[in-house]
Amino acid sequence: GAVVSQHPSRVICKSGTSVKIECRSLDFQATTMFWYRQFPKQSLMLMATSNEGSKATYEQGVEKDKFLINHASLTLSTLTVTSAHPEDSSFYICSATELLNYGYTFGSGTRLTVV
Amino acid sequence: RKEVEQDPGPFNVPEGATVAFNCTYSNSASQSFFWYRQDCRKEPKLLMSVYSSGNEDGRFTAQLNRASQYISLLIRDSKLSDSATYLCVVLQGGSEKLVFGKGTKLTVNP
Repeated sequence: GAVVSQHPSRVICKSGTSVKIECRSLDFQATTMFWYRQFPKQSLMLMATSNEGSKATYEQGVEKDKFLINHASLTLSTLTVTSAHPEDSSFYICSATELLNYGYTFGSGTRLTVV
Repeated sequence: RKEVEQDPGPFNVPEGATVAFNCTYSNSASQSFFWYRQDCRKEPKLLMSVYSSGNEDGRFTAQLNRASQYISLLIRDSKLSDSATYLCVVLQGGSEKLVFGKGTKLTVNP
């Protein structure tokens, strides 16, 4: 079955630094990748949608200059949290859809803690 | 009004019990519906898709009522391993975006 690998699974960083999260589709070409954020006891909230080779589409209220998304190939998308602050501490999850095969596969998530 | 609303829970039931979760969605253009399961600090995993005709997968039965914009999930003979948060998820009409409910936490007790 389709597998999406997300790294790192957990990261602790200092306030003001940047963190990069990678999401790779291992056995399929992901035409579209989604980035979500989930705060404790809350639902997954879509942050942005990225298509290979084009700029990401951000949801309302998500700062595109703070959350940089790059989808340079059909198997890799990255999310960089720039100048992270404690309020950015959250669970970040990516998801990918398969070309010509409807379905969404989720990465295992990244727990970010900003201290 | 939230796009997807679920029973707030939590549900605490004994092993073997039958438990039902409800969900409503606000966008009548929504086209596809799912139940996902999320274990603590893990990613969501697809439990089952939901069809208008209703569908069953072992102990799990999902129902969709488009007229009422209502989705349900029934778990029969619950097991300890069913303990998780159940997420009602709707595919937004005209897009590839999934919209997640807040989830209902289920704890099955021995």
